[in-house]
Amino acid sequence: QKEVEQNSGPLSVPEGAIASLNCTYSDRGSQSFFWYRQYSGKSPELIMFIYSNGDKEDGRFTAQLNKASQYVSLLIRDSQPSDSATYLCAVNPMDSNYQLIWGAGTKLIIKP
Amino acid sequence: KAGVTQTPRYLIKTRGQQVTLSCSPISGHRSVSWYQQTPGQGLQFLFEYFSETQRNKGNFPGRFSGRQFSNSRSEMNVSTLELGDSALYLCASSWGTDLYEQYFGPGTRLTVT
Repeated sequence: QKEVEQNSGPLSVPEGAIASLNCTYSDRGSQSFFWYRQYSGKSPELIMFIYSNGDKEDGRFTAQLNKASQYVSLLIRDSQPSDSATYLCAVNPMDSNYQLIWGAGTKLIIKP
Repeated sequence: KAGVTQTPRYLIKTRGQQVTLSCSPISGHRSVSWYQQTPGQGLQFLFEYFSETQRNKGNFPGRFSGRQFSNSRSEMNVSTLELGDSALYLCASSWGTDLYEQYFGPGTRLTVT
């Protein structure tokens, strides 16, 4: 069974620090990887996607993918209180049958 | 470009009733996926439609059904509502030719009393 694992948290980070969120996946043939941010009571919002090994940067966000170790991470630099949310990792496995596999999410709290 | 829209945004129903939720995808997107989200269960996949065809279905009872129209708009229906069906129902659209990034609508909050 294809799985995506995330630490549920909460992960508490001081304002201005780097928040590091991690996600591991079981299907070695997975092809694309997504990070979503979800505020309480709201729908998930896509913030990053990555397809190739290495780093991808977008503003304060960096996604890192290591297919050999089967993990993907999200770094948030200069964390702000507005970054406090649950972060969901989603993976498109090989033979996905048009279904993303979702992690349960990590709750991030940025302390002013 | 307009985002994914869902109607209604909030709904209160009684046990035993049925409900229909609607989703309009981003213009040009042909795939619509439906999810149920509850506090303890996270995102649970219901089904995915592409060009009016259901390509995949999650592990939900037959009371949950859906369809997609030729303009890519999609509906899901839940019959004989149970208290446990209270949840946030989300739809997400994507291009669909491969499972690239999905974009979510605001969701429909269903409360069953």
